[in-house]
Amino acid sequence: QVQLVQSGGGVVQPGRSLRLSCAASGFTFSTYAMHWVRQAPGKGLEWVALIYYDGSDKYYTDSVKGRFTISRDNSKNTLYLQMNSLRAEDTAVYYCARGLTQLVLDHWGQGTLVTVSS
Amino acid sequence: DIQMTQSPSSLSAFVGDRVTITCRASQGISNYLAWFQQKPGKAPKSLMYAASSLHSGVPSRFSGSGSGTDFTLTISSLQPEDFATYYCQQYDDYPLTFGGGTKVEI
Repeated sequence: QVQLVQSGGGVVQPGRSLRLSCAASGFTFSTYAMHWVRQAPGKGLEWVALIYYDGSDKYYTDSVKGRFTISRDNSKNTLYLQMNSLRAEDTAVYYCARGLTQLVLDHWGQGTLVTVSS
Repeated sequence: DIQMTQSPSSLSAFVGDRVTITCRASQGISNYLAWFQQKPGKAPKSLMYAASSLHSGVPSRFSGSGSGTDFTLTISSLQPEDFATYYCQQYDDYPLTFGGGTKVEI
């Protein structure tokens, strides 16, 4: 069965960096696009980034462009989100999700909390 | 960005009720519309895509309709496990955007 297991969250000071990971199993990871979606405490869902199945193209929401980088290692079946220059407003639970087709989200990771605070 | 507006933001219902949630896009999105269910402290669950296609394993009491700017999610007979928050999402254009959510409670 499809599994997405996330790691890497935690508490970080403003301006610092953090990398999230999402380990995939139960499907051929290298043939699916992958996404990151976040949810600030008590708020709704916000799409963050997309990477194509082969890493050839990436898309970001405006608020993270130039600060966050989505990447993948298909040999390790793992998706990453490198988050630099973190701000208080980046505080959220971050979810990875598989793209059934490029843009249709089907399976989700369990989520990992990122807290940006001094 | 395409704005997605859901109504109502919350509703109260009983087990067995028919429930309808509306989602409106700020511009036409054809049928590039998905629905998600989220329970407190849990990851979202994907219910539907292409406005009316159910993901595998989603009960048939869930249905969707609409095209262009106006969409609906209907639960034909509300079950205890359906009490949750529901989100619509457009995937016609970047950035992908979600509605604000509809909380279905007793």
